[in-house]
Amino acid sequence: AQSVTQLGSHVSVSEGALVLLRCNYSSSVPPYLFWYVQYPNQGLQLLLKYTSAATLVKGINGFEAEFKKSETSFHLTKPSAHMSDAAEYFCAVAGGGNKLTFGTGTQLKVEL
Amino acid sequence: DTEVTQTPKHLVMGMTNKKSLKCEQHMGHRAMYWYKQKAKKPPELMFVYSYEKLSINESVPSRFSPECPNSSLLNLHLHALQPEDSALYLCASSQDGPYEQYFGPGTRLTVT
Repeated sequence: AQSVTQLGSHVSVSEGALVLLRCNYSSSVPPYLFWYVQYPNQGLQLLLKYTSAATLVKGINGFEAEFKKSETSFHLTKPSAHMSDAAEYFCAVAGGGNKLTFGTGTQLKVEL
Repeated sequence: DTEVTQTPKHLVMGMTNKKSLKCEQHMGHRAMYWYKQKAKKPPELMFVYSYEKLSINESVPSRFSPECPNSSLLNLHLHALQPEDSALYLCASSQDGPYEQYFGPGTRLTVT
C-alpha cells in the first residue's frame, strides 16, 4: 500500500523567500512520485514527477524536488517565491496499477 | 498537447434531474479517471477506465454511472443526486499504469 504525508496544511512565505513544502511517502514498491498545483476553481496541474531516473527533479515555474530514499521524502522547493505561486499543492504517489494516492494538501500563501 | 477538456464548467441540478458530465482527451491515453473533490480536500477517486473497460469502482453509489464510449471520451451520468454530492468533479487521463495523470478543469456541480 502507498501513502503520502504532507507536513503543514498551511505555509506562508514572503515574496522572494525560499519555498519548502514537505512530503513524506510510504510505499511497498519503488514509488513514482508527483507534485501537483491547484489554483482556485481549476483542475490539478502537474508540476513535476519522479520516476526513478534522476533524484533531483526539475519542474515547471521554477520548482524542483529531491527524492531521498533514506528519508522517504520528496520535498518541493523554489528558491524565490512569487505572488503567483499562491495555490494548493498536492503530493501524490503511485506504486502500481492506475491509482494515485494524494496527500492532504498544503495551502501556500505568499505575502508582500 | 496535454489538454483534457470537460463540459459543462458549471451545473446546477435538482435531486430528481438526470444530467451528464463529459470529458475528452486526445493524448492517446488508455486510462481515464473520474474524481470528486470537496473544498480544501484532495481529489477522491471514483472510477478508472483502462482500455475502455471499467477497472476500478471505489464503491461509488449507483446514482453515479460512468461510461467510456471510446478511447477519447468519458462520461459520468448523474441521477437522483443528493445535496452532499455537490462538489468539483475532475476528469483525468494517463498512460495505462502508475504514470502521471493529466487533469481537466473540472465541473462545479451544485445539487439543490
